[in-house]
Amino acid sequence: KNQVEQSPQSLIILEGKNCTLQCNYTVSPFSNLRWYKQDTGRGPVSLTIMTFSENTKSNGRYTATLDADTKQSSLHITASQLSDSASYICVVSEGTYKYIFGTGTRLKVLA
Amino acid sequence: EAGVAQSPRYKIIEKRQSVAFWCNPISGHATLYWYQQILGQGPKLLIQFQNNGVVDDSQLPKDRFSAERLKGVDSTLKIQPAKLEDSAVYLCASSLGIGADVNEAFFGQGTRLTVV
Repeated sequence: KNQVEQSPQSLIILEGKNCTLQCNYTVSPFSNLRWYKQDTGRGPVSLTIMTFSENTKSNGRYTATLDADTKQSSLHITASQLSDSASYICVVSEGTYKYIFGTGTRLKVLA
Repeated sequence: EAGVAQSPRYKIIEKRQSVAFWCNPISGHATLYWYQQILGQGPKLLIQFQNNGVVDDSQLPKDRFSAERLKGVDSTLKIQPAKLEDSAVYLCASSLGIGADVNEAFFGQGTRLTVV
């Protein structure tokens, strides 16, 4: 069964600290992996996308990694800001058009 | 570039009533998706259109949910009759097309439905 699992379920950190979110998947055939940020009351917004051959992708303070052999991805947030408080969702594309969503990690950044 | 537009933003109805949601995708996007997101969970695909044809509706509860995209542009999602467990955010998304390099989905803000 195609699944995307994320950990931790929720995380609280202090402003300025770094954090890493994890995503494990069992999706086949694998097309690409995206990390989305979803602010409360808003739709998800894409942060990064990685294909099978890419193992790292950065978008400002966000850096995503992908290990296609172990089917794991991580999202590292550097020097967190209050505005980083959101849910972060890992999404794996099965084939060319089907998305498998993880349940997300809810991040809270405190001042 | 305008984003994906959805309306209404919020809706409260009693169980067994009917409700409809509207979505206008990004101009030129051929693929349109409707997702249901229950609180604390990731989005679950209800139906996917490619132009005005259905690509995937395997998780759509067809006894009560229906969706159409008659002219291949905007779309409506209807629930009739609603149940308490339908309380969720209904997200609409669109992408240029189907294919690894054009399938990035852009999401609307969603419609939050509360069934009481």
